[in-house]
Amino acid sequence: SQKIEQNSEALNIQEGKTATLTCNYTNYSPAYLQWYRQDPGRGPVFLLLIRENEKEKRKERLKVTFDTTLKQSLFHITASQPADSATYLCARPHGSSNTGKLIFGQGTTLQVKP
Amino acid sequence: GAGVSQTPSNKVTEKGKYVELRCDPISGHTALYWYRQSLGQGPEFLIYFQGTGAADDSGLPNDRFFAVRPEGSVSTLKIQRTERGDSAVYLCASSPSVAGGNNEQFFGPGTRLTVL
Repeated sequence: SQKIEQNSEALNIQEGKTATLTCNYTNYSPAYLQWYRQDPGRGPVFLLLIRENEKEKRKERLKVTFDTTLKQSLFHITASQPADSATYLCARPHGSSNTGKLIFGQGTTLQVKP
Repeated sequence: GAGVSQTPSNKVTEKGKYVELRCDPISGHTALYWYRQSLGQGPEFLIYFQGTGAADDSGLPNDRFFAVRPEGSVSTLKIQRTERGDSAVYLCASSPSVAGGNNEQFFGPGTRLTVL
């Protein structure tokens, strides 16, 4: 079955440092992976999508990588700020890239301390 | 602009009762999704619509769960004979379409369902 695994332990880092979150998937490589941010009591908010043929994608202080050999995506936040504290979710399509069915990981909670 | 809205924000019901949860997607979005999220877990897919039809309902846990989208806009998730295990946050999302693998989904705030 197609699964997404994220580190369920919270990640605590100091303001200004780079946060790195890991997303591992099983089975065949998906056509793309997505990353979302979720704050308590709110719905997830889309951040980035990276395709299977893209090794890296950047958006402002965010960087995502996609390693099909390791079956892994890494999500980096550089120069982290307390406002970056949230839960970050990784998701993959179930099956083909044209499906609307997303499989989410359990999320990793990031806490950035001032 | 208006995002995805869900009503009610909270629903408390008794075991065995029937509940309806409503989702208003972003105007013009043809795809609509329902997920269920338990504490400490990621969203769990239930069903998605492309227009008025259910394109994939493989995540509905059993026949007590049903969803409709009669006019291709608003959707209602219906749960019959609720059980305590149905307690969760029910999230709705919408997207312009599903085609092309650009499946950025816009989520609502969710409805927190508590079954006593």
